[in-house]
Amino acid sequence: ETVLTQSPATLSLSPGERVTLSCRASQSIGNFLAWYQQKPGQAPRLLIFDASNRATGIPARFSGSGSGTDFTLTINSLEPEDFAMYYCQQRRDWPPGFGPGTKVDIK
Amino acid sequence: QVQLQESGPGLVKPSGTLSLICAVSGGSMDSNNWWIWVRQPPGKGLEWIGEISHSGITNYNPSLESRVTMSVDVSKNQFSLKVTSVTTADTAVYYCASSYCTTTSCFVRYFDPWGQGTLVTVST
Repeated sequence: ETVLTQSPATLSLSPGERVTLSCRASQSIGNFLAWYQQKPGQAPRLLIFDASNRATGIPARFSGSGSGTDFTLTINSLEPEDFAMYYCQQRRDWPPGFGPGTKVDIK
Repeated sequence: QVQLQESGPGLVKPSGTLSLICAVSGGSMDSNNWWIWVRQPPGKGLEWIGEISHSGITNYNPSLESRVTMSVDVSKNQFSLKVTSVTTADTAVYYCASSYCTTTSCFVRYFDPWGQGTLVTVST
């Protein structure tokens, strides 16, 4: 079973800043990685699939990169609505699984 | 645009059975989609429970496989989840979701859209 690790656990930032979130897999998962955003009291929303492809309707300030075991989600110029939890998820290995999440909160 | 809505009892007694239904609207279930259940204990992360195809093929998380059953009713545009022998560790928000599809492809085991989620508490 592939274990996903996300770092840092929490980030405190200001609107307008650039943020890079990390997701590391315990074994190679190719590019079979997604990123989700979850706001309090809401369901997760798919942001990025196959490591670098934005899902339908996702703003261009969100971008993903990486392959193998190391992946990043970058948000250029944080908007107020971007303060949330972010989870990575892999589908290469069985069972599909999520990372523990990174919380991006307002400084 | 497909929309999903979970329903079911919010309180289940220990050793009982948790039963939820996910109603699908705005699209047909008779497609290449897979239909998924994910849960999230209060204040914790996401756990994939399992998936079911429109034809009833199922795949379950090995950690839950002995207690989980999923079914689908395409004629009613809904699918369901049962978890038996529940304990307090099964207390969570339960989400249904579908596999993510673009206009040209469906991506198994990427999840979007999601239902709003329903909290199920296991307690006496």
